[in-house]
Order: sequence, then structure tokens, then C-alpha cells
Amino acid sequence: SQQGEEDPQALSIQEGENATMNCSYKTSINNLQWYRQNSGRGLVHLILIRSNEREKHSGRLRVTLDTSKKSSSLLITASRAADTASYFCATAPIRFSGGYNKLIFGAGTRLAVHP
Amino acid sequence: DGGITQSPKYLFRKEGQNVTLSCEQNLNHDAMYWYRQDPGQGLRLIYYSQIVNDFQKGDIAEGYSVSREKKESFPLTVTSAQKNPTAFYLCATEGPTNYGYTFGSGTRLTVV
Repeated sequence: SQQGEEDPQALSIQEGENATMNCSYKTSINNLQWYRQNSGRGLVHLILIRSNEREKHSGRLRVTLDTSKKSSSLLITASRAADTASYFCATAPIRFSGGYNKLIFGAGTRLAVHP
Repeated sequence: DGGITQSPKYLFRKEGQNVTLSCEQNLNHDAMYWYRQDPGQGLRLIYYSQIVNDFQKGDIAEGYSVSREKKESFPLTVTSAQKNPTAFYLCATEGPTNYGYTFGSGTRLTVV
């Protein structure tokens, strides 16, 4: 079942501009994660934000989480052509007992950064 | 060099044939997952395993089977009961520190 919904589905920008992608979800979560996928490749984990965190940074990435609105955003600053990829949010629903996350992925945002 | 190896990268299946996709990891992670990705779409969970000799169905398990006889290996068999198997298959692991999944590079399966 799909929980995360990314918006927009596709985004086209020029190098140097900022790119913002949004993710909405439906149920309470333990954490939310963002992944990147280059065409035809596996996904690469970018950043994890826990439900008690509101903002997190990693290099040119900034992630926010609003649990009251059940939404998150990923901001890529000063984008480069190499940032061209699909970006997915994935939610880890709250577990009632110990165990591992069973992530639920959204359909992704396709980002194209033009030189 | 730690990581996940999926093989083969490309696989062609004839109608009515079973095929097995390999996923091997040397990360010493307990949890392993199989996802299916269709063009332009997100990932859907097929099966997952949190420990050796145990596995659970995901959202779209029909037509698939798995085994987890070793910690390092989690092969996925696509059976003839899977009517639309053409897709990109991704294997992932998760370690105990809860820092996200590590993915393999995927297997692209095509029915011919």
C-alpha cells in the first residue's frame, strides 16, 4: 500500500537553482527517509528524520518534517546537473513491538537539472 | 568491500518458466527485503525477512516465493503464477542501527 505521495511528480530546473520536493503520508510514523535513484540503478539513502525531529541538514540537503500535517519536504540547494535523478520519500510506520522498519515508498519526484 | 550484490542484472523469462533472482549481502544485516518497481512508479514490497529461516509476505507476494537459509542470502523466485512479472526488482537490507536501507543495483526481468 502506498503511503507517501510526492509532489510534484516531475521538476525541471536550471543549475544553481534550488529544488523543493514534498511528501505527504497518512499514518503515524517512526521516521521518514529520503532516497535518490539514478536511472536504472538501486536507491541510495540520503537522510532519515525521526518523528520527534523537525529539521535536518546534510550538505546541500535540508529536510523538514511536520507531523501535525503529516508532510515532509526535501530541499536541494544550488542544484547541479549531477543531481538529476528520482527522489523518493519512504515512511516507517510506528511499530508496536521491536523489529525492523518495513518502509513504504511513494511514487517519487523526477528531478531534471539542466546545465 | 561491503555491500549487496544482485544477479543477474538482466533476466529474460519465457512464459510458464520459473526464474530465481539472487541477492547476497556481506553487511551482516539481519533484515532483508524484496521490492518490485514498475516504470515511473514507486517500490512495492514483495517479501521481507527479519531473521534466518523466517520471512513474511509483503503487499504483492502472490506469484513469488523466497527462502532465507543463510543470513547472507535472500533469493527471490518468480513463478509462472506471476502473470505480469516484467519489472525492476530491488533487494535491500537494514542493519540494527536504523539508518535506512542499503539497496542492491537491481535486476531487470523481462518476459519474452
